[in-house]
Amino acid sequence: DTEVTQTPKHLVMGMTNKKSLKCEQHMGHRAMYWYKQKAKKPPELMFVYSYEKLSINESVPSRFSPECPNSSLLNLHLHALQPEDSALYLCASSQGARTGELFFGEGSRLTVL
Amino acid sequence: RKEVEQDPGPFNVPEGATVAFNCTYSNSASQSFFWYRQDCRKEPKLLMSVYSSGNEDGRFTAQLNRASQYISLLIRDSKLSDSATYLCAPLGDKLIFGTGTRLQVFP
Repeated sequence: DTEVTQTPKHLVMGMTNKKSLKCEQHMGHRAMYWYKQKAKKPPELMFVYSYEKLSINESVPSRFSPECPNSSLLNLHLHALQPEDSALYLCASSQGARTGELFFGEGSRLTVL
Repeated sequence: RKEVEQDPGPFNVPEGATVAFNCTYSNSASQSFFWYRQDCRKEPKLLMSVYSSGNEDGRFTAQLNRASQYISLLIRDSKLSDSATYLCAPLGDKLIFGTGTRLQVFP
């Protein structure tokens, strides 16, 4: 079982809705990540938080808004999404931001109608 | 040229076979390299880390060729449970995943 917990596992939302994806880890990791993965594609990096500060934003549209309330929690706030935003959203954590040894959650599968 | 390129496969091999995947990367500043496996509709899981010229863990061997900018993953004595997509990920200023190579091991 993964030690990174994501909720909800599935989410269906309309283009006018506001929703949030949540991620939690209790491994004492200081870096947390959001990746987006479409079918048959690799995970694409969206955001990196290091010591609760946003360190990388991969030019993600503002309809995706990350938040890191503390070192164990990472949220992704969603607003006015488009159908093409439907994907698997993966949260990951690592001991530090300069490592490639990431622990992924099971993901939140998002469908935008 | 894509940052990370992999042959998408699928590689269909019988149990017990040896199979090798290659991965090429464009960022010469990449210092360390990682292989992840991803089962269908599951999250990626770290398989191996490569910090020097290579690494071996049981049936799995990874080799790095910095001059040619590629890394390989060799799987010996394939098992049915090895069926998955294998993602190569070099680390530069961030971790970038390759498109993955799909392996299907049949009885």
